[in-house]
Amino acid sequence: DVVLTQTPVAQPVTLGDQASISCRSSQSLVHSNGNTYLEWYLQKPGQSPQLLIYKVSNRFSGVPDRFIGSGSGSDFTLKISRVEPEDLGVYYCFQATHDPWTFGGGTKLELK
Amino acid sequence: QVQLQQSGAELAKPGSSVKISCKASGYTFTSYYISWIKQTTGQGLEYIGYINTGSGGTNYNEKFKGKATLTVDKSSSTAFMQLSSLTPDDSAVYYCARGHYWGQGVMVTVSS
Repeated sequence: DVVLTQTPVAQPVTLGDQASISCRSSQSLVHSNGNTYLEWYLQKPGQSPQLLIYKVSNRFSGVPDRFIGSGSGSDFTLKISRVEPEDLGVYYCFQATHDPWTFGGGTKLELK
Repeated sequence: QVQLQQSGAELAKPGSSVKISCKASGYTFTSYYISWIKQTTGQGLEYIGYINTGSGGTNYNEKFKGKATLTVDKSSSTAFMQLSSLTPDDSAVYYCARGHYWGQGVMVTVSS
């Protein structure tokens, strides 16, 4: 199975700071069709995960432009500029290139 | 609007089975696959598998073969997941999802 390793496990931030989360895959996430099915989700306390980014760098409908996904192959990053209170929670990367689909272990974005 | 409404929390005894439901609305049920995901504190998010709601065809994560059985009832636009031979390790929140649309989750607790 593809292992997605997220770092850091926890990211203390001050509101207005930039935050950066890494997601490294145990193998390339480029599908045979040329697409890279790497997504980012945010799970707020007591809620279901919500999609932020799909196919590495595409913001889902309604996601603010302070969320930026980047990367290629097996190395991906989610950057959040100017962290706001509603951004706090646990972030997960997720791959749907290889079966079985897998999630990263999560990164908790929390206040310092 | 797309909604996935899951059934209520379950308390089950070891060795028994539970069947949880996911009722879809706001779209043509048979046009999209339904996926199932397990969330625990220890293991994080794990992908169980998906069902083709049109044909009933299934794809399971090897880890959940023999544990989870996915079915659908097209007449009620409802997907089901049965979990069998329950152990305490099956205690978790279980989500259904249609792409980026997620249900609210069902907490299953296995305890004697």
